[in-house]
Amino acid sequence: AQTVTQSQPEMSVQEAETVTLSCTYDTSESDYYLFWYKQPPSRQMILVIRQEAYKQQNATENRFSVNFQKAAKSFSLKISDSQLGDAAMYFCAYRSFRQGGSEKLVFGKGTKLTVNP
Amino acid sequence: EAEVAQSPRYKITEKSQAVAFWCDPISGHATLYWYRQILGQGPELLVQFQDESVVDDSQLPKDRFSAERLKGVDSTLKIQPAELGDSAMYLCASSLGPWDRSYYGYTFGSGTRLTVV
Repeated sequence: AQTVTQSQPEMSVQEAETVTLSCTYDTSESDYYLFWYKQPPSRQMILVIRQEAYKQQNATENRFSVNFQKAAKSFSLKISDSQLGDAAMYFCAYRSFRQGGSEKLVFGKGTKLTVNP
Repeated sequence: EAEVAQSPRYKITEKSQAVAFWCDPISGHATLYWYRQILGQGPELLVQFQDESVVDDSQLPKDRFSAERLKGVDSTLKIQPAELGDSAMYLCASSLGPWDRSYYGYTFGSGTRLTVV
């Protein structure tokens, strides 16, 4: 079974600084997607960024970028120029594409990010 | 912007009582998911529907939980009887389907916060 591990329960960053959140995963599959989701105190889970396993190029979305190391099964999220609105729980998630199988998202336990003014 | 609708947002119930949650996915989304998120943890899949059929309910406690999506559109998740350990956030999400590779992640609803007393 696939597992996702987020080793940092909490992180803090100064406004305008850069922070990196870590994620490792375990899988024997070759076809999968990885995601970072943000869950603010308002609760709704919001997609931040995604990465297809077959793509070597790291995904970027404005101030958010990932460092995808497929061989190491590592998928970290870098937030540049941190803003107060970035404060939230961040979840790393894995999704496989297995023919005829469940393509559920498997989540890590999350990292609580605090942004200090 | 299309949203996944969930109701109620909050529910307090006494243990041994029955409780039900409702979810209306984004129009045209064939796949619907119910996740449970215990405080401080990542969401875990309870049940996945493809149209009106259950694809994965391996983590659904079937002695007390039931889920249905009769017409392949909206869905109801029921707990009877509720136990103290069922206190959690219940999230609904939807996606176009497992074949969709233009995948921008599931769209999550705002969730139902259940407290069992």
